[in-house]
Amino acid sequence: QVQLVQSGAAVKKPGSSVKVSCKTSGRMFSTFFINWVRQAPGQGLAWMGGIIPFTGKIEHAQEFQGRVTITADDSTSTAHMEVSSLSPEDTAVYYCAITESVDLGLAIWGQGTLVTVSS
Amino acid sequence: EIVLRQSPGTLSLSPGERATLSCRASQTISSSYLAWYQHKPGQAPRLLIYGASSRATGIPDRFSGSGSGTDFTLTISGLEPEDFAVYYCQHYGNSPLFAFGQGTKLEIK
Repeated sequence: QVQLVQSGAAVKKPGSSVKVSCKTSGRMFSTFFINWVRQAPGQGLAWMGGIIPFTGKIEHAQEFQGRVTITADDSTSTAHMEVSSLSPEDTAVYYCAITESVDLGLAIWGQGTLVTVSS
Repeated sequence: EIVLRQSPGTLSLSPGERATLSCRASQTISSSYLAWYQHKPGQAPRLLIYGASSRATGIPDRFSGSGSGTDFTLTISGLEPEDFAVYYCQHYGNSPLFAFGQGTKLEIK
């Protein structure tokens, strides 16, 4: 069973950037569609973007286009998401989640990373 | 852009009762790309149903999904104490690729 382990909580200043990592336990890393989903306090789930390491294809939600950078490192089976120009509204729990096929749903999730943006 | 609207916003029921959660799409969608998730505070969301009606691995058979077109339903028959959580429907499509409904909170009455 694949597991996802995310980096730890972070506190950032407005205007700065944060990079969250998501390490998978090995098999078939490059063929997964690795996605990033966030939940702001009191809000629902919001898809931010995703990457298929095998093809290098990256998709972003329009809301986050230009401010979110998603990468994947095959050598460490780790995906990264960097959010720039942070504002307090970016305070949220950020999750990575993978699917082997989009018709199978987001089957496996990381534990979540709390990012707090505060001056 | 497809918008998913879930109802009710909050559902208050007792253990043992049947829960019926609705997810309505703003236009016809393929049931192949409709999923349901359970989300508890402090935990990661858990995939319950994919393809509108297929249970994910390890999901008890009291959870069932149905629907087509624009109307989809998650039914939980015989609520257990651990079922009280927030439930989201999700569709894979275009812009955004993964769109979530706003959620239904299932609370203990």
